[in-house]
Amino acid sequence: SQTIHQWPATLVQPVGSPLSLECTVEGTSNPNLYWYRQAAGRGLQLLFYSVGIGQISSEVPQNLSASRPQDRQFILSSKKLLLSDSGFYLCASTGGGNTEAFFGQGTRLTVV
Amino acid sequence: GNSVTQMEGPVTLSEEAFLTINCTYTATGYPSLFWYVQYPGEGLQLLLKATKADDKGSNKGFEATYRKETTSFHLEKGSVQVSDSAVYFCAPTQGGSEKLVFGKGTKLTVNP
Repeated sequence: SQTIHQWPATLVQPVGSPLSLECTVEGTSNPNLYWYRQAAGRGLQLLFYSVGIGQISSEVPQNLSASRPQDRQFILSSKKLLLSDSGFYLCASTGGGNTEAFFGQGTRLTVV
Repeated sequence: GNSVTQMEGPVTLSEEAFLTINCTYTATGYPSLFWYVQYPGEGLQLLLKATKADDKGSNKGFEATYRKETTSFHLEKGSVQVSDSAVYFCAPTQGGSEKLVFGKGTKLTVNP
């Protein structure tokens, strides 16, 4: 099975500061990778997904960007954080085919 | 692409009560169907799955049957416990370049 490493677990950043969240995957190759944001402890909003190195699909216009510099590395970034960027961010991976998704433990981002 | 309609909560039950959380989906092909559970402050983890029509997935007393004719995958448990309190997500998965979508999540609270 896969293991998803996501860090940091908690982050407090001032408005206007940059952001970089990293996610790495073990146990598979050429996964589909996803970044979700979860507000109010419930729904998952898909932000970005990637089917391969350098291939990024953006789901929602926003203040964030994503990059996939290596097969099993997925990075979520922002140049200038907004208060509305606060939330719980989750990285996920699927190994291709009709397989289950594996999730990181999440990053709680608070923009102050 | 795929989409999911999931019963929205929150759902509050007493211990040993019967649980049903409805989930219906739309998909262009033949997805596998998954239920994930999220405990407070954590990422999602697989609860159960079914890969073809009429299959029944089961785990920890939870069950769900893949109903192709009604495009449904309702989650059930005969006797819930306080430890089942969590948020539950339904998700069809087809792999390939199909993005991973989730229902909006159903928050379950079980009171002693």
